[in-house]
Amino acid sequence: AAGVIQSPRHLIKEKRETATLKCYPIPRHDTVYWYQQGPGQDPQFLISFYEKMQSDKGSIPDRFSAQQFSDYHSELNMSSLELGDSALYFCASRSRDRSTYEQYFGPGTRLTVT
Amino acid sequence: LAKTTQPISMDSYEGQEVNITCSHNNIATNDYITWYQQFPSQGPRFIIQGYKTKVTNEVASLFIPADRKSSTLSLPRVSLSDTAVYYCLVGPSGAGSYQLTFGKGTKLSVIP
Repeated sequence: AAGVIQSPRHLIKEKRETATLKCYPIPRHDTVYWYQQGPGQDPQFLISFYEKMQSDKGSIPDRFSAQQFSDYHSELNMSSLELGDSALYFCASRSRDRSTYEQYFGPGTRLTVT
Repeated sequence: LAKTTQPISMDSYEGQEVNITCSHNNIATNDYITWYQQFPSQGPRFIIQGYKTKVTNEVASLFIPADRKSSTLSLPRVSLSDTAVYYCLVGPSGAGSYQLTFGKGTKLSVIP
């Protein structure tokens, strides 16, 4: 079965650089979520999109922005990177079938800021 | 969203049944209880979800008492591959985004 695809899987950037993370949800999933998981920490919700519109916002820094495109893929843009942005970034998607609340997570992008 | 409390860690031998209890004293009427499993450096994976009484699927059972202020995830006959962090989440149902709010999960270590 198709899964959530994230690219790149690993990314190394220097402080003050920018980064773009991509997420391709499972086909027929219309909701995309972004989560950040720092070393030894629990996943934290950043932002979500439903039918290409931002639906909820969590603890996402102002330096970060995201959008969902017409094909439902999403991109997380990160600027002025800081050492503290080093983390695993997960994308998750949810089915259009509203009888289930299950989110399907991708493998994550490991961002290292040096 | 209702806050959850679960043990920080648990150890179990292979082949044993493991029960992880989660407290959610201020659960709302429309909230569901959901459990996710996470292996190191992997995305969380949905295990089971329930509203009341007992729910069972091919990997786990979820027991929810009548007052719904707690729930217990039961993993039958665990193996080494069940070593992971288990998260209990409580949240509203219905349409909308319904992002997941992860608290401190339970790190389960299965010992040979």
